[in-house]
Amino acid sequence: RKEVEQDPGPFNVPEGATVAFNCTYSNSASQSFFWYRQDCRKEPKLLMSVYSSGNEDGRFTAQLNRASQYISLLIRDSKLSDSATYLCVVKGTGGFKTIFGAGTRLFVKA
Amino acid sequence: NAGVTQTPKFRVLKTGQSMTLLCAQDMNHEYMYWYRQDPGMGLRLIHYSVGEGTTAKGEVPDGYNVSRLKKQNFLLGLESAAPSQTSVYFCASSWVGSPLHFGNGTRLTVT
Repeated sequence: RKEVEQDPGPFNVPEGATVAFNCTYSNSASQSFFWYRQDCRKEPKLLMSVYSSGNEDGRFTAQLNRASQYISLLIRDSKLSDSATYLCVVKGTGGFKTIFGAGTRLFVKA
Repeated sequence: NAGVTQTPKFRVLKTGQSMTLLCAQDMNHEYMYWYRQDPGMGLRLIHYSVGEGTTAKGEVPDGYNVSRLKKQNFLLGLESAAPSQTSVYFCASSWVGSPLHFGNGTRLTVT
């Protein structure tokens, strides 16, 4: 079993749609959680950190469920510019070993 | 503020040649990482370092060596390149528990 697993995608949605990405992790001792965005052939960039209380940044909402070892990302009112690959990232015990999910590709169409 | 800088940006090697990829960060981060990303696949951790003079193996360390002689630099070496090492290599750095900051990547082709 992979340490971090994501929906394989791709997701094809129209502009204005709401889309949700899911991620599960296997190490219950994992300490920090993030969502990154990666555009084609570019480096990953931090989208947002994920906290147990849930957090929101504009159209983006992230949730963490430690009991179920589950992370989610919700994008509301999708824009064409949201088209990218979304990566779930988990940092393990000690806060240094960082594992990336394979990513979920999102295509937002006009 | 340069952040994380990788050199070179592109490189073509012949099978059996060696090379070193350099990563430099100016954020005084303790932790540094090397990942590889193959087409259509996620990032896989090659090696990482939790401080100057320390290194550790990640998920796919075979065929690579690393060194962290200075806190700001993390070198990735390929002693005898193989076509299977054709990939995009990303370096990253961070504090404990904090998000990773990435360099722009090195695109390596081994023929």
